[in-house]
Amino acid sequence: KQEVTQIPAALSVPEGENLVLNCSFTDSAIYNLQWFRQDPGKGLTSLLLIQSSQREQTSGRLNASLDKSSGRSTLYIAASQPGDSATYLCAVKGGGSQGNLIFGKGTKLSVKP
Amino acid sequence: NAGVTQTPKFRILKIGQSMTLQCTQDMNHNYMYWYRQDPGMGLKLIYYSVGAGITDKGEVPNGYNVSRSTTEDFPLRLELAAPSQTSVYFCASSFSGNQPQHFGDGTRLSIL
Repeated sequence: KQEVTQIPAALSVPEGENLVLNCSFTDSAIYNLQWFRQDPGKGLTSLLLIQSSQREQTSGRLNASLDKSSGRSTLYIAASQPGDSATYLCAVKGGGSQGNLIFGKGTKLSVKP
Repeated sequence: NAGVTQTPKFRILKIGQSMTLQCTQDMNHNYMYWYRQDPGMGLKLIYYSVGAGITDKGEVPNGYNVSRSTTEDFPLRLELAAPSQTSVYFCASSFSGNQPQHFGDGTRLSIL
């Protein structure tokens, strides 16, 4: 059974720092991996989606990498800002295009001014 | 530019009552999903649909039912509410299985 783990559970950094959030999964047979952001009391916002054949995706200050063989993904945030404060969730899809998304419990990020 | 809209935003139910959580999307997405999010836990898939008239169970379907009569709407029904169904419910949609999922703002449901 696929399990997704995110470490650390919480992270506090000063504004301007570059940071890395980690995601690991137990079954390397994934279809794609998605990173989301969740603000308090809100739904999830998709940040980046990496297909199983890809190694990384970039959007602005965000870069996500995928290493299927080791069961790991990282989300790199450059030059962090207070507005980046949120919970970041990693989710993997297995079993083809109709497979379930399996979510990690998230990393709660706080960026201090 | 509504995206995925969920109603109601909040609801308190008594044990044994029934209700329907509404979800509609205006992006012409084929795939729709229902998740629940419990405190300190990841989201878990309840049901999903790959098109009108087609639904399938997710990881935690017991106690719930769904229907998909149109592309836009995907309601979730609780028939006999139980305290274990207290949770935040999210509806999501995507154009296909390998495209990003777009989420609504959730329905916060308490069963007392």
